Amino acid sequence: VMTQSPLSLPVTLGEPASISCRSSESVLHKNGRNYLDWYLQKPGQSPHLLIYLGSIRASGVPDRFSGSGSGTDFTLEISRVEAEDVGVYYCMQGLQTPSSFGQGTKLEI
Amino acid sequence: QMRLQESGPGLVKPSETLSLVCTVSGDSINSSPYHWGWIRQSPGKGLEWLGSIFKSGSSYYNPSLKSRLSLSVDTSKNQFYLEMTSVTAADTAIYYCARALYSSSSGFDPWGQGTLVTVSS
Repeated sequence: VMTQSPLSLPVTLGEPASISCRSSESVLHKNGRNYLDWYLQKPGQSPHLLIYLGSIRASGVPDRFSGSGSGTDFTLEISRVEAEDVGVYYCMQGLQTPSSFGQGTKLEI
Repeated sequence: QMRLQESGPGLVKPSETLSLVCTVSGDSINSSPYHWGWIRQSPGKGLEWLGSIFKSGSSYYNPSLKSRLSLSVDTSKNQFYLEMTSVTAADTAIYYCARALYSSSSGFDPWGQGTLVTVSS
């Protein structure tokens, strides 16, 4: 089970933001990598990948986004929130079957 | 640029079979090292991984749906497919297909635009 907090995150433009994701079981693979992704679903769009393997930014993702953590506790940080960052953020674990998503965190300006 | 596009009926009757197609463009399933997955999104259950398939046909299923779900692939058409039997209202959702970047069921990128499926008589 993936648990995100907070579920709603009001932010100010230009300020930092942080979202937490906790897994009920470790997502650390024996290869040393954390099978933990972060996705953003903007209003009216499909989700898209922001961060994979816990901390690797996907192609085209701005460097204001960063992922950290290991095992069961992870954090997505936005260094300076921009207007285009609004939407719902999801974490997802891909180590245990079935892969599972968090409930989502709605970021609002 | 790689794209995925879901297609299928928007309305399915209860107890019938749901069939969806995902068409891949900008990449070849046959020459790709990646798995290809299905995910759905409903107001009640949020995002749910359904299953993934490799070009060889090897498939991985969400255990909660395994008895009703079947995935297949046609590399000559650059398409993969989902069949779900005995659907109920609980299967009403937006269904997405996506490429899995680093395991059979992780790192989904990109996603298709999604297709809304409503189960109703």
